[in-house]
Amino acid sequence: EIALTQSPATLYVSPGEVATLSCRASQSINNNLAWYQQKPGQAPRLVMYGASTRATGIPARFSGSGSGTEFTLTISSLQSEDFAVYYCQDHNNWPPKTFGQGTKVEVK
Amino acid sequence: HVQLVQSAAEVKKPGASVRVSCKASGYTFTTNYMHWVRQAPGQGLEWMGIINPSGGTGYAQKLKGRVTMTRDTSTSTVYMELSSLRSEDTAVYFCARGEDYFDFWGQGTLVTVS
Repeated sequence: EIALTQSPATLYVSPGEVATLSCRASQSINNNLAWYQQKPGQAPRLVMYGASTRATGIPARFSGSGSGTEFTLTISSLQSEDFAVYYCQDHNNWPPKTFGQGTKVEVK
Repeated sequence: HVQLVQSAAEVKKPGASVRVSCKASGYTFTTNYMHWVRQAPGQGLEWMGIINPSGGTGYAQKLKGRVTMTRDTSTSTVYMELSSLRSEDTAVYFCARGEDYFDFWGQGTLVTVS
């Protein structure tokens, strides 16, 4: 069974700076990785799918890259509304049951 | 616009069952997949299972035998029933639409087992 490992667990970033989040798969998942953003008390929100395709309404400061086993979500010029927990998800294997453990982006 | 509206919070005793509903609107219910995902307090996301456009289901191995997902196409509602509740089932339960990634989520339903 595939495992997704996210790093770091917590990322401290100042507003306006760049945040780089990592997700590593235990075996190749091609480019079939999604990212979700979750704020306290809210449902997750789809940010990225297919590793690099932004979901509807997601600003261009979010970008995704990677394939195979190594993936990155980059948030350029971090805004106040971007501080949240981010989860990656394998959507190469069906059912799409595997999530990473999350990276919390906090104010530095 | 797409909406998934879930039922209200529940408090249940250990050993009881709970049924959570998720009413969909704004899209063609019968051509889409629906999943259930739960999140224990302070923890990450755990996939529970899926109901496909034909009504077929698939469940996470650890929940098999305790979880049942059904749907009512006349009301565009999906249901998740979890039986033999234990304290570790305390969580927020989400429905989420999508075949392989989840583009819309319900607001979540807190189930407390105590």
